Amino acid sequence: DGGITQSPKYLFRKEGQNVTLSCEQNLNHDAMYWYRQDPGQGLRLIYYSQIVNDFQKGDIAEGYSVSREKKESFPLTVTSAQKNPTAFYLCASSPVGGSYEQYFGPGTRLTVT
Amino acid sequence: SQQGEEDPQALSIQEGENATMNCSYKTSINNLQWYRQNSGRGLVHLILIRSNEREKHSGRLRVTLDTSKKSSSLLITASRAADTASYFCATPVGAGSYQLTFGKGTKLSVIP
Repeated sequence: DGGITQSPKYLFRKEGQNVTLSCEQNLNHDAMYWYRQDPGQGLRLIYYSQIVNDFQKGDIAEGYSVSREKKESFPLTVTSAQKNPTAFYLCASSPVGGSYEQYFGPGTRLTVT
Repeated sequence: SQQGEEDPQALSIQEGENATMNCSYKTSINNLQWYRQNSGRGLVHLILIRSNEREKHSGRLRVTLDTSKKSSSLLITASRAADTASYFCATPVGAGSYQLTFGKGTKLSVIP
């Protein structure tokens, strides 16, 4: 099946620890995105990448880091510098040069205590 | 930076009724998209309407776009309990951009 996978679905961490969220896609999409969603809110863009080994900051990049070493993978690290990391994180991908539609993974709910 | 804003924030209807959600945006766009999100899940793309289109249909969904008013509406006809979800409009950040901005969504509850 083609699609985007995110793991794990739920993640618990202690304050002060870095944590990495996984995002993998087998849709052969060039562009990938990370969003953060807080309760009752829309999506806010953290980082995006349109090509391997290149990525750009979104609206709320502070306290986060990413890498794009492979086309299929776009992991997000939530660092200890992120002041309010507890949220629902969504990864998405889209083709470049065609449809503007984004395809989303199932999300990872991160809880930091 | 959020461009699209949905209205109403929440909507509760009986099964079989129609549901209408609105989206307003601020800058010129070449397309507008609607997505659906079931509770605790990822978003699913529903429909894309281009700036040169005024209306588009997909099954029980009807989307309109009024570029002069910078607004769009999503109509779900003959709603079902399974339509209960949050609905978001999304617009490109800039001309030709693949980066989207999303509104805060309309939470639709369809009561059986």
